[in-house]
Amino acid sequence: SQKIEQNSEALNIQEGKTATLTCNYTNYSPAYLQWYRQDPGRGPVFLLLIRENEKEKRKERLKVTFDTTLKQSLFHITASQPADSATYLCALDHNFNKFYFGSGTKLNVKP
Amino acid sequence: DAGVIQSPRHEVTEMGQEVTLRCKPISGHDYLFWYRQTMMRGLELLIYFNNNVPIDDSGMPEDRFSAKMPNASFSTLKIQPSEPRDSAVYFCASRPSGSGNEQFFGPGTRLTVL
Repeated sequence: SQKIEQNSEALNIQEGKTATLTCNYTNYSPAYLQWYRQDPGRGPVFLLLIRENEKEKRKERLKVTFDTTLKQSLFHITASQPADSATYLCALDHNFNKFYFGSGTKLNVKP
Repeated sequence: DAGVIQSPRHEVTEMGQEVTLRCKPISGHDYLFWYRQTMMRGLELLIYFNNNVPIDDSGMPEDRFSAKMPNASFSTLKIQPSEPRDSAVYFCASRPSGSGNEQFFGPGTRLTVL
C-alpha cells in the first residue's frame, strides 16, 4: 500500500504571499498525482493533475511540481487570497483507477 | 448537470440499525467510487465500480458493509448492523473513462451512529 504524508499542522500565511504545501509518499511511485481542495462540509474539488513524466504543471495561480526521486510533490498558490483558505489534499493513483488520499493540509490566508 | 447527488445529507441512527446511503453519479461517467472520511483516518476508498461492476472492494471494512450499483445512474452503500465506529462522512464520486481523470465528488452524507 501507499503511505502519504501531508503536514497536519495548518499553514498560516499573509494575503499576497505564496503558499507552499507538501505531499510526500513512500513505496511505489504513482503514474499520476492529483491535488484537490476541500471546503468545510463539502466534497473535495479537483484542482490539478501531474503525470510522472512531468516535472511541473501550472494553472492560473497554481503550480504543482512532482519529484519522483524525492517522492515528493509541492503545491504552490501564488498571490494568495483569503478565498484560498481551505484544506488541500493530494491523491496518488494505484493502477490508474484507484487513488489514495493524503490527510490534507489546512491553509489559512489572512487579510 | 447537477453533479453527483447523494442522499441523505445527514443520517442519525442507533447502533444495530440498518443504514442505506444513496448516490447518483454524473451521467456518462463510467466509474463510481465510495469513500469514507474521518479525522483519524482521512479519506479512505471503500469500493469502486466500472460500468456498474464492482472492481475493487478491498477497502470495505467488514461484512457489515455492502455496495451495489444496479444501473448506471444509481448506487447504494449499506451498513447492517451499524456501529458507533461507522460514524463518518461518506462520499460518492464519479469520473469518466481515461486514466488519471479527475473525480467529481458529491456533497457527502454525514452519518452518526449513536
